[in-house]
This record gives sequence, C-alpha cells and structure tokens, in this order.
Amino acid sequence: GAGVSQSPSNKVTEKGKDVELRCDPISGHTALYWYRQSLGQGLEFLIYFQGNSAPDKSGLPSDRFSAERTGGSVSTLTIQRTQQEDSAVYLCASSLPDSETQYFGPGTRLLVL
Amino acid sequence: SQQGEEDPQALSIQEGENATMNCSYKTSINNLQWYRQNSGRGLVHLILIRSNEREKHSGRLRVTLDTSKKSSSLLITASRAADTASYFCATDLFSSGNTPLVFGKGTRLSVIA
Repeated sequence: GAGVSQSPSNKVTEKGKDVELRCDPISGHTALYWYRQSLGQGLEFLIYFQGNSAPDKSGLPSDRFSAERTGGSVSTLTIQRTQQEDSAVYLCASSLPDSETQYFGPGTRLLVL
Repeated sequence: SQQGEEDPQALSIQEGENATMNCSYKTSINNLQWYRQNSGRGLVHLILIRSNEREKHSGRLRVTLDTSKKSSSLLITASRAADTASYFCATDLFSSGNTPLVFGKGTRLSVIA
C-alpha cells in the first residue's frame, strides 16, 4: 500500500516568507509526527498528533511554527516569517495506534535564502 | 537534548565484513529502535528491542541491549554495498503508547565493494 507522502519535495523561499509543508500519513494511522533534521542537530521532534486529541507542541522551536491535522488525516506544518536557521529537512511519520514503529515520509528539504 | 548518541560517527568497511554501531542513552526506556536513512531522506524502521530483552535478530541484523549500561549495539553481518546509509538509534520520549522518538546523531556507514 501507499506509504507516507510529503509535499513539496524541495522548497526554496526567501527569508521572511511563510511556508506550508504537507504530510499524508498512511491510512488508518492515528498518530502523526513532525521532525526536523538539520546539519549538526540530528533529528528533532517538533509536534505530535494522536487521534482527535490536542497535539503535543512541546518540540516546536518558536511560535513561528504551527501545525494542524484535518479530519484526522492530512497534516500541514506552517512556518511563518522564515529564518535562515529554519533551513532543514522536515520529516513526517505516522504509526498505528499503540505501535512504537514509525513510518517516515521522504521529507521536504527547505532552504531559506 | 539528544537521548541517544551513536558511535562511531562514521564507519567505512569492505563488502563482506561486519559492521558494529553503538548507541548510548541517558534515561530509562521501554524500548529502543534502530532506523536507517538513505541519502538524507526518509527513515526506515529496522528493528525494535524491548527493555526486558537482551538480544534480537532480524536477518543479517543483530541488536543487543544493556539497560544497566544504557547502551545498545547494532551488528550488520556480511555487509553489502547496499547497506551504505546512516543508522540511528531512537528511544521513546514518553513512557507509554504512541510516542515521539528521540534520535541520536547517527552513524554513517560506507560499505565499499
């Protein structure tokens, strides 16, 4: 079956602009996670959705970052007023209820000029 | 801060040799997972070992866990050029259910044909 998909694959933007990154999880996966991978920082947890519960935003680095998940499926990560340090690969993952295994999408490579 | 720390950071071996990567973590865990990443894109789950297990095998992979030392190792036997990738250990951020993962910075493995 289809895996986790993310769009766009690559995004180049100018400093100060807003960007939206999209994630389509695997059907039936109730948990959805956003991570960021940047050089020298490894993979960092950003935000986590579980079913219809309020998301856990404890990993978001600033209030410029937000995410929503519509209908318990597709999720959008929004970065407002982008900064050069936001340049990274943004990875989305999903998992079945009560499963520790996460399935990752191919990521969106964001470059802020 | 990162929960897991892998070593070595980079490893280069000849095809057919075994590759061993180590991971250390800081707090108590329910389980530990290993993931693989090709070319800085999506991660693929390899194996999960629970805190009450000491060793687990999957094909050419062997994982050990020493909770007293808070460490794990991943052994890839009879390596192939296709095993060239980055390998990450990951532990639970929360103690139960679906949970975001905390990743180490990874070991970059190069298998030379």
